[in-house]
Parts: sequence; structure tokens; C-alpha cells
Amino acid sequence: DTGVSQNPRHKITKRGQNVTFRCDPISEHNRLYWYRQTLGQGPEFLTYFQNEAQLEKSRLLSDRFSAERPKGSFSTLEIQRTEQGDSAMYLCASSSPDRGGEQYFGPGTRLTVT
Amino acid sequence: DQQVKQNSPSLSVQEGRISILNCDYTNSMFDYFLWYKKYPAEGPTFLISISSIKDKNEDGRFTVFLNKSAKHLSLHIVPSQPGDSAVYFCAASGGGTNAGKSTFGDGTTLTVKP
Repeated sequence: DTGVSQNPRHKITKRGQNVTFRCDPISEHNRLYWYRQTLGQGPEFLTYFQNEAQLEKSRLLSDRFSAERPKGSFSTLEIQRTEQGDSAMYLCASSSPDRGGEQYFGPGTRLTVT
Repeated sequence: DQQVKQNSPSLSVQEGRISILNCDYTNSMFDYFLWYKKYPAEGPTFLISISSIKDKNEDGRFTVFLNKSAKHLSLHIVPSQPGDSAVYFCAASGGGTNAGKSTFGDGTTLTVKP
């Protein structure tokens, strides 16, 4: 297993367009997390799944954001009607419940909204 | 309200000396604490963790100390090496259904000079 992968690595889009990112977690991990990171700040929690169930969604996440994890494997994060403030690095992580809070992160998808 | 704070944005040390990175938290429900290391263009990588029932955890050159009464933890790197130059994030998570969901500080950029 090569770890957590994310696609695309970079995305440039125009304001108002929809974008979708994909995350493939480590195969034996049943938990999957999405974070957002802006320059000079730490990763900010967005949402997480245990298997296919979305257990928590940050109140900071507007209704333009939606995430899915069909069949408890890969996950997608969609942003509708993008705004310039959505420009950030979107990080995906996965974990196994028997490893405490230790999470394995992917390389991230850098979104630029013009 | 930032629940995890890293008050030093940057730290510079000489190779071979000790690096001490500090982190403070406010939420007494946190019971698991982690340090991650991040290189440019990569996602954070797990470094070391500590449960709230302990006050010290050691792994090679890395030691994490936890002072629950002060809500403070620190990461010691001895001896520091140029390859340790990176951004270090402190993170905290709670137990139960929130286990694994992490709250991050804004990071400290460590530079180890040869």
C-alpha cells in the first residue's frame, strides 16, 4: 500500500464553477477525514467518515460543500459555486481506530479560485 | 477560539543542539496529543503522540512531554539535524466518537542550521 492518494494535486477554477476532489485512503483504514489548510495556519477539520457513514461535519462548512464515501472506500469532496475564499489546500487523511488519533495524510489538492 | 496554540511561528537552532517546540491547549476534553511534521508540497506526517494518562513519551531523538495541569505539551528533538527542518504541527483529539478527529495548531517552522 502506497499510502493516501489525492487527485488532482492542483486545480485552478473560475469563481462559480463546481469542483470535485478524490481521496483514496489506506485500504485497511475505516476512518477518513477531510481538512482544509490555508497559508500560515494548521489543518482545519471539515468532516469525517467511519466506513461509509459521515459522522461529523464542521459547522464552518457551508452547504456548498458536500462529501461522500460510497462503499466505505474512496471519498469525494465537492465544492459548488466556488468562491475565492475557497482557495486553499484540501487534505485527506485516514486512520485506524486501534491507533489512537494517529492519522495518515495524503499530499493534498491545492485549489485556486480565480 | 483557537483550542490548540503554538505561540512560536519559527525556531532556529544549530545542528546537534536541542530543539524545543511548545504547544498549549484549552479544551480539557482532549485526551490524546500528537505531533506532525510537514515538508513543503507534502501532507503532514505523524511523528509522535502521547496519551493524557502519561507525561512523557520517547521515540529515538524525539520526546514529547505533557503537563496536564498547565495544559501544555512540548516536543524535544535531540540532537537536532538539518533534515529536521520542517513545519511542526501540534494536534489534539478527544475520546469516544471524536477519537481521531484532530484540532491542529498553526505550526512552528523549525530551521536547523549546519
